[in-house]
Amino acid sequence: LAKTTQPISMDSYEGQEVNITCSHNNIATNDYITWYQQFPSQGPRFIIQGYKTKVTNEVASLFIPADRKSSTLSLPRVSLSDTAVYYCLLMDTGRRALTFGSGTRLQVQP
Amino acid sequence: DADVTQTPRNRITKTGKRIMLECSQTKGHDRMYWYRQDPGLGLQLIYYSFDVKDINKGEISDGYSVSRQAQAKFSLSLESAIPNQTALYFCATSGAPTSGGAGTDTQYFGPGTRLTVL
Repeated sequence: LAKTTQPISMDSYEGQEVNITCSHNNIATNDYITWYQQFPSQGPRFIIQGYKTKVTNEVASLFIPADRKSSTLSLPRVSLSDTAVYYCLLMDTGRRALTFGSGTRLQVQP
Repeated sequence: DADVTQTPRNRITKTGKRIMLECSQTKGHDRMYWYRQDPGLGLQLIYYSFDVKDINKGEISDGYSVSRQAQAKFSLSLESAIPNQTALYFCATSGAPTSGGAGTDTQYFGPGTRLTVL
């Protein structure tokens, strides 16, 4: 399985935009870049998924350069409730297994 | 997610005991998964099932077994619990990938079971 690399932790303040970058140098043609969010003692929750260029939904944006070797999750105007762990995963349509890694722990301060 | 339920939510047991964790879903999904999460770490896949007759080992299946009793039910058993199996256990479900290959299916997680083995 292709591996992803993310920062271990990030700090931000309320109202700021937060960008979390994920590296995936060995991404395969069939892989989709997928981000999950996890609050303490809860199961992860799907945030966004993309294959290339830019994807935006009501929660976040995902930027993927042409070579697809990295991606950036952008959270606009974060609030305290965005404090969580964010996981970057590569998923293919066959998807026999899911590897979450350690994720990025985002701490939002008032 | 209320569509995926796990029982019990908390369990304390002793070394050597047999434990069963249960998962039920009302989302009508074919695919179900069991994950384990240790403190401060990501999730590790224990077992997964793509339908009732298709069960597969994940990264860390040793010491665990599963049973897919029906499409909506997927149980995880620890035949003889040991202290290093103390962890948070999550069940998840997903539907088949969307037609045309436009994206992959999304996993929906249950609330978790906190298991402590003394």
